[in-house]
Amino acid sequence: DTEVTQTPKHLVMGMTNKKSLKCEQHMGHRAMYWYKQKAKKPPELMFVYSYEKLSINESVPSRFSPECPNSSLLNLHLHALQPEDSALYLCASSQQVTGGLGERTYEQYFGPGTRLTVT
Amino acid sequence: TQLLEQSPQFLSIQEGENLTVYCNSSSVFSSLQWYRQEPGEGPVLLVTVVTGGEVKKLKRLTFQFGDARKDSSLHITAAQPGDTGLYLCAPLGSWGKLQFGAGTQVVVTP
Repeated sequence: DTEVTQTPKHLVMGMTNKKSLKCEQHMGHRAMYWYKQKAKKPPELMFVYSYEKLSINESVPSRFSPECPNSSLLNLHLHALQPEDSALYLCASSQQVTGGLGERTYEQYFGPGTRLTVT
Repeated sequence: TQLLEQSPQFLSIQEGENLTVYCNSSSVFSSLQWYRQEPGEGPVLLVTVVTGGEVKKLKRLTFQFGDARKDSSLHITAAQPGDTGLYLCAPLGSWGKLQFGAGTQVVVTP
């Protein structure tokens, strides 16, 4: 099973709402990621969790709050968002692999994303 | 932060033609990955290149890593409509951190 699932697929929320995005993987990966992707742009990294601990926060506004309750789940809690936060939110997980030359790299598997619209 | 440039931004070709996409930086990459993203889906990893001068093939896709590890290219031979997508390159950082280039949108028409 090489699948990363994300729910919901679409979400429309008002600027005063509180909502959460969910991501799940059962590949045993210990690193998980949140990305934001605007239309016609590449994904931009938001957060990295490694072994359920936050390793990287790319200066994301506090209205986005990540949570990693266990090694299979990653949540993104949303509160008081702005219309410009409307985007595709992608979750990914990765495992460290060793290549033929002994090099260690990561292979990331992405979910299909949640299309978020803030009204 | 490494400044990463991808070119061209957009490429539209007919089925059966060849195409090349480029990824360049003024910095040295320790390793670099190529992804393809189709509409409504997340990116899918195509390849990881690590060694300068390395060439990797994935069916009709050929990936090259520059000798100085500052540039990479993706060449598709005899493109098919199924090759349509956004092609993204990204150097691999700590914790698997990816900083994607702007991407090249490829459209292959039958």
